[in-house]
Amino acid sequence: DTAVSQTPKYLVTQMGNDKSIKCEQNLGHDTMYWYKQDSKKFLKIMFSYNNKELIINETVPNRFSPKSPDKAHLNLHINSLELGDSAVYFCASSPRTDPSGYTFGSGTRLTVV
Amino acid sequence: KNQVEQSPQSLIILEGKNCTLQCNYTVSPFSNLRWYKQDTGRGPVSLTIMTFSENTKSNGRYTATLDADTKQSSLHITASQLSDSASYICVVISGGSYIPTFGRGTSLIVHP
Repeated sequence: DTAVSQTPKYLVTQMGNDKSIKCEQNLGHDTMYWYKQDSKKFLKIMFSYNNKELIINETVPNRFSPKSPDKAHLNLHINSLELGDSAVYFCASSPRTDPSGYTFGSGTRLTVV
Repeated sequence: KNQVEQSPQSLIILEGKNCTLQCNYTVSPFSNLRWYKQDTGRGPVSLTIMTFSENTKSNGRYTATLDADTKQSSLHITASQLSDSASYICVVISGGSYIPTFGRGTSLIVHP
C-alpha cells in the first residue's frame, strides 16, 4: 500500500527519557513534516524537510530533533521528555507538484508519565 | 498574525440531515484552502482544495465554498451518514511559503 507509515502507534514513557518516532513514506514525495496535535485537537506544524534538508522549524524546544536519513524517511527524536510533550504526533508528506497536498500518517500517541 | 477560526466547535445531527461548517481566516498572502476530515485515531484526509478563483467545489456529498473577499469558507454535508462522524479541519496555506495555518476543527457527531 502506498502510504505514510509511522511507528510506534502508542508510546508511554517516563519523564526524562529519550524516545524516537519513525516515519516512512513510499509515495515518492519530496517533502516530509512532523505535526503535533494537542488535547484540544489543534494541529501545529513542527518541522518540514525537503529532500533531506530542513526548511521549516517552528518554535519547538531543541529537545526535539528531526533526522532525515533519506528522502523517504523522517524520524523524530525527543530528549528529556516532559509531561507537556504528551500529544499525538503526525508525520506527513507532500509532492513537489502540490506542496500543500499533505498525506498524513495515522499518528503516534505519546503519553509522558 | 495568521489565524483560522472554525465554528461551531461541535455539532450533533441526525442521520440524513444536512449541516454546514464555517471557517473564517486572516491568512495573508493566500494560496489555497483545504478541508480535511479526521476520523478518531486516524490522520486527517483531504476532502477539498479551494484556490483564490474558485467559489464552489464538490466531492460527493461534501460541498465547499470560498469567499476570498470576506475570507470565509464553508463545508456543507448533504444527507449525513453515520460515517461522517469525525473532526473537520479547515487549513489555509500561505502563498509563497506554503506554511499551513490550521483551524481547531469542528467535531461532528451523526446519530442514527
